[in-house]
Amino acid sequence: AQSVTQLGSHVSVSEGALVLLRCNYSSSVPPYLFWYVQYPNQGLQLLLKYTTGATLVKGINGFEAEFKKSETSFHLTKPSAHMSDAAEYFCAVSDRGGADGLTFGKGTHLIIQP
Amino acid sequence: NAGVTQTPKFQVLKTGQSMTLQCAQDMNHEYMSWYRQDPGMGLRLIHYSVGAGITDQGEVPNGYNVSRSTTEDFPLRLLSAAPSQTSVYFCAIRGTGPNSPLHFGNGTRLTVT
Repeated sequence: AQSVTQLGSHVSVSEGALVLLRCNYSSSVPPYLFWYVQYPNQGLQLLLKYTTGATLVKGINGFEAEFKKSETSFHLTKPSAHMSDAAEYFCAVSDRGGADGLTFGKGTHLIIQP
Repeated sequence: NAGVTQTPKFQVLKTGQSMTLQCAQDMNHEYMSWYRQDPGMGLRLIHYSVGAGITDQGEVPNGYNVSRSTTEDFPLRLLSAAPSQTSVYFCAIRGTGPNSPLHFGNGTRLTVT
């Protein structure tokens, strides 16, 4: 069975500072990995995904994530936080060949301080 | 969110009442699913379908029924609502292959009193 752990239910950074949201996964097979963002009262939007190939993945809104197999991690970063980045962020994993959807982490609420 | 329409957006039920949450898609995707979102719990899979006539249980199926008679629609039924089913429900679709991302509807916020 696969699982996802997001460290920190709330992360607070100052505007302009580095954003780092942590995600560790467990999977019995090489995984597909995703980051989603949820703005208030909305559904989830895909930020980026890792499938195969390059381990550094670039997404929308200046976010990127690096797949590190040895550390079973897929941390999300952004060099400079903007007020509009305030949202809930979810890491998710899918087994290759699996048909039963994604397994989500519990989410990290990103707070941007002015 | 383009392609996935959920209705209603809000609903209040009394314990024991029944209702159906609607999900419709116009992207002709075979895969459709229902998740519930609760504070501090992330999203949990309720039921999913890989095509018309095929459904299967997810992580938290108890208290919910689904059917898939067409590619476009995947309704979620609560036969006898309970306060524990107070949640935000999301319908999500996906293209072919497990590396295809999920596309989510905007959700239905359900309160059971």
